Amino acid sequence: GAVVSQHPSRVICKSGTSVKIECRSLDFQATTMFWYRQFPKKSLMLMATSNEGSKATYEQGVEKDKFLINHASLTLSTLTVTSAHPEDSSFYICSAVRTGGKETQYFGPGTRLLVL
Amino acid sequence: AQSVTQPDIHITVSEGASLELRCNYSYGATPYLFWYVQSPGQGLQLLLKYFSGDTLVQGIKGFEAEFKRSQSSFNLRKPSVHWSDAAEYFCAGGRMDSSYKLIFGSGTRLLVRP
Repeated sequence: GAVVSQHPSRVICKSGTSVKIECRSLDFQATTMFWYRQFPKKSLMLMATSNEGSKATYEQGVEKDKFLINHASLTLSTLTVTSAHPEDSSFYICSAVRTGGKETQYFGPGTRLLVL
Repeated sequence: AQSVTQPDIHITVSEGASLELRCNYSYGATPYLFWYVQSPGQGLQLLLKYFSGDTLVQGIKGFEAEFKRSQSSFNLRKPSVHWSDAAEYFCAGGRMDSSYKLIFGSGTRLLVRP
């Protein structure tokens, strides 16, 4: 159990377009999900906390108007990179915490975004 | 401030040899502790976790970790490494504020010699 999926696994887009990434908990409900960004050969950088039914909480330095997060159900959170630019190219990973669970985050497989 | 440190950026071991990856934490109290593994281009897979109780924790893929309060450590071990264990390993600690957030170490890259 505790499977998290992400879609798409990789995406290439033109500069100025918006890209939506989905994160789903497949076999459990997740009140809380997280979005991370990972640069090559680096650790994970937390971008925001996504809570079902409420606004996301963004980490310092992350533009909330740039990275729109919606957590409309207990199994789905979406990250939309608006007006993407080449510097937004990165590996984006989501994680989910089982509702009532004990702080264990289960991670998705990641989405590779390349902005041309 | 709460922190998790992985002193080794990369480690190389021969296949079949034993492995120990170091992790140290700095917290005011005992945090929840986790080890994750990441293969290239993939997400993170949970290897094991420690919340309380028995200080020797068994995980998947033959890994184990031992929580040592006196040394503020949570080192990951495996008695015999397989070539497929080559990956990036992250130690993480839960923040003590009920936010479910994790504090990650910088990671240790494991290389396995045939």
